[in-house]
Amino acid sequence: QVHLQQSGPGLVKPSQTLSLTCAISGDSVSGKSATWNWIRQSPSRGLEWLGRTYYRSQWYNDYADSVKSRITINPDTSKNQFSLHLNSVTPEDSAVYYCGRGGSDYDNWFDPWGQGTLVTVSS
Amino acid sequence: DIVMTQSPDSLGVSLGERATINCKSSQSVFNSFNSKNHLAWYQQKPGQPPKLLIYWAFTRESGVPDRFYGSGSGTDFTLTISSLQAEDVAVYYCLQYYRTPWTFGQGTKVEIK
Repeated sequence: QVHLQQSGPGLVKPSQTLSLTCAISGDSVSGKSATWNWIRQSPSRGLEWLGRTYYRSQWYNDYADSVKSRITINPDTSKNQFSLHLNSVTPEDSAVYYCGRGGSDYDNWFDPWGQGTLVTVSS
Repeated sequence: DIVMTQSPDSLGVSLGERATINCKSSQSVFNSFNSKNHLAWYQQKPGQPPKLLIYWAFTRESGVPDRFYGSGSGTDFTLTISSLQAEDVAVYYCLQYYRTPWTFGQGTKVEIK
């Protein structure tokens, strides 16, 4: 059974970088049967997919256009985890952030999800 | 981007009665290569992440009660709770995974009337 455990700060200052980590158990970040995603949820934007990383003989990333210029999602094979870095944050980036496992081919729904991290952008 | 629109935004249903939630996509999410609709449904309770209920528009996730069922094809989909139980009070979301960026509906809040 796959389990995702998130960690990272809940408060980030404006213009700084939001960084979160998602530790994976029961699967491999470099396995070819999954993709590793970040999703956020806020009252103003609802549920919003931010991007993903996955390995298919090489590493790939896809990012949502809304954050493409500010986001990086990195795998860490030594710790079997992946991270989200969102730079130049504003209060609009305040949200609950989730990591989620997606499928390997067409089965790209998210399951399971991490527990969620409430991130507030404030000075 | 594919826009997902749910209706209604909220729904009050008596215990034991049927709840019906609609989800409409701005373009078809039917994939002719696998002959499947790339549409999932989630349930979210306060303080929890969304829980997967249904994928491929009508395939129930393991452990999900059979009072939950999905239907529809192309651009119009429905999640039905055949006999509402108290534990079904939640917000329900549809998700399209046909084309990136994957996108969610705005949610439908189901309450007890």
